[in-house]
Amino acid sequence: NAGVTQTPKFQVLKTGQSMTLQCAQDMNHEYMSWYRQDPGMGLRLIHYSVGAGITDQGEVPNGYNVSRSTTEDFPLRLLSAAPSQTSVYFCASTRRGAFSYEQYFGPGTRLTVT
Amino acid sequence: GEDVEQSLFLSVREGDSSVINCTYTDSSSTYLYWYKQEPGAGLQLLTYIFSNMDMKQDQRLTVLLNKKDKHLSLRIADTQTGDSAIYFCAESYGNKLVFGAGTILRVKS
Repeated sequence: NAGVTQTPKFQVLKTGQSMTLQCAQDMNHEYMSWYRQDPGMGLRLIHYSVGAGITDQGEVPNGYNVSRSTTEDFPLRLLSAAPSQTSVYFCASTRRGAFSYEQYFGPGTRLTVT
Repeated sequence: GEDVEQSLFLSVREGDSSVINCTYTDSSSTYLYWYKQEPGAGLQLLTYIFSNMDMKQDQRLTVLLNKKDKHLSLRIADTQTGDSAIYFCAESYGNKLVFGAGTILRVKS
């Protein structure tokens, strides 16, 4: 299993540009999430999905769109990048077992918006 | 709302024990977690504890949970230089995890 993969690893955008951060998992997990990590603020949830075709907003959804057409993929779209979106983005997927609840994280995408 | 607080920095000598502390607000959390993040990497789940437990031990790691004070701690015995990382406490909140800001652990040799 590759686990959770994210592309690209690094990206620089100009203000107003759009892009899609890709996330894929091969563990057949129902739940997938996107977080952003900023210094001194921990991880904050942007959007999440509890299954194909179902998405919901997290703590900081503004400026981001998601879709979940398949179980495996959960892309995050920035429609018009702003410097405030400079951050490290982590995708995660989750299995819900009988006695555990774990999230598997991807390696992250470091995004800089100039 | 839910909130998770951690101290920002801890420095220990190699071989000593490290204790990282966390407080949380949601008393209905089912599980509480500790994650480790090494430089340039994603988060790795270290351990978790079910909310009806007081303690969980896993090799060098000991998790203590004080439900009355909503206080969670992670003790690392015989801390090594490879333990230098950022440690995140998290609580489950419905389908979501709420993370603290992370504690930077620096191990001096």
